[in-house]
Amino acid sequence: GESVGLHLPTLSVQEGDNSIINCAYSNSASDYFIWYKQESGKGPQFIIDIRSNMDKRQGQRVTVLLNKTVKHLSLQIAATQPGDSAVYFCAERSNWANNLFFGTGTRLTVIP
Amino acid sequence: DADVTQTPRNRITKTGKRIMLECSQTKGHDRMYWYRQDPGLGLRLIYYSFDVKDINKGEISDGYSVSRQAQAKFSLSLESAIPNQTALYFCATRPGPNTEAFFGQGTRLTVV
Repeated sequence: GESVGLHLPTLSVQEGDNSIINCAYSNSASDYFIWYKQESGKGPQFIIDIRSNMDKRQGQRVTVLLNKTVKHLSLQIAATQPGDSAVYFCAERSNWANNLFFGTGTRLTVIP
Repeated sequence: DADVTQTPRNRITKTGKRIMLECSQTKGHDRMYWYRQDPGLGLRLIYYSFDVKDINKGEISDGYSVSRQAQAKFSLSLESAIPNQTALYFCATRPGPNTEAFFGQGTRLTVV
C-alpha cells in the first residue's frame, strides 16, 4: 500500500541556520509531490511542488529535492526565521485516485 | 476574502446529533475535498468530488456523507456524531490533477 511519512516528528533550529525536513514515500509510481506549511489555527499553505521528472526545484528560500531511487523527498529552508515555525507536511499524488495523500507532519521550531 | 471558506469555524455538538459543515469557494475549481486532521495522523481524505454530479469516498468515509450542491459548494455531514469524530476538518479545492490544493481555514469540531 501507499504511505507517506516523515523521518522526524520535531525539528528545532537556531534562527539563521538552514533547516532540512525529510519525507519518505512508498509508491514508486507517484509523479507529483507538494510541501505544505501549517501554522497554528490555520489551514495548510502551499510552499513548493515538484514533478517526478525533476530532482530539484527552488523557490524563495526553499528548495525541494526528490530522490526517486530511494523514494525520498526533502524540504530545505535557508536562513530559517521565527516565522518559519510551523508544521510541515509533504503530500504525494496518488495515481489510482488522483488525490493527494499527506504525511503526518514535522513540527519546526525556530529558536531566536 | 478567503478563496475557500468553511463554516462554522468551531462547533461543539452532542453525541447522536446531525451536523453539517459547509465549504464554499470562489476559485472556480471543479475539484473539492474534505479532509480530517487528528494529532499525529496528518490529513486523511474523507470524500472528494470532481464536479457537481461526482461524489467519491476517500480513506475514512464511514460515518460521513457529502453533498455537492454547486461547483462552489461542498458540504460534509455527520449523520449521528460520535466522540471519535472530534477533529479538525479541512475543505480544499484543486484546479486539476497535478496541482496544489487550496485549503480553507478549518472547522474544529468537538463531539461530547
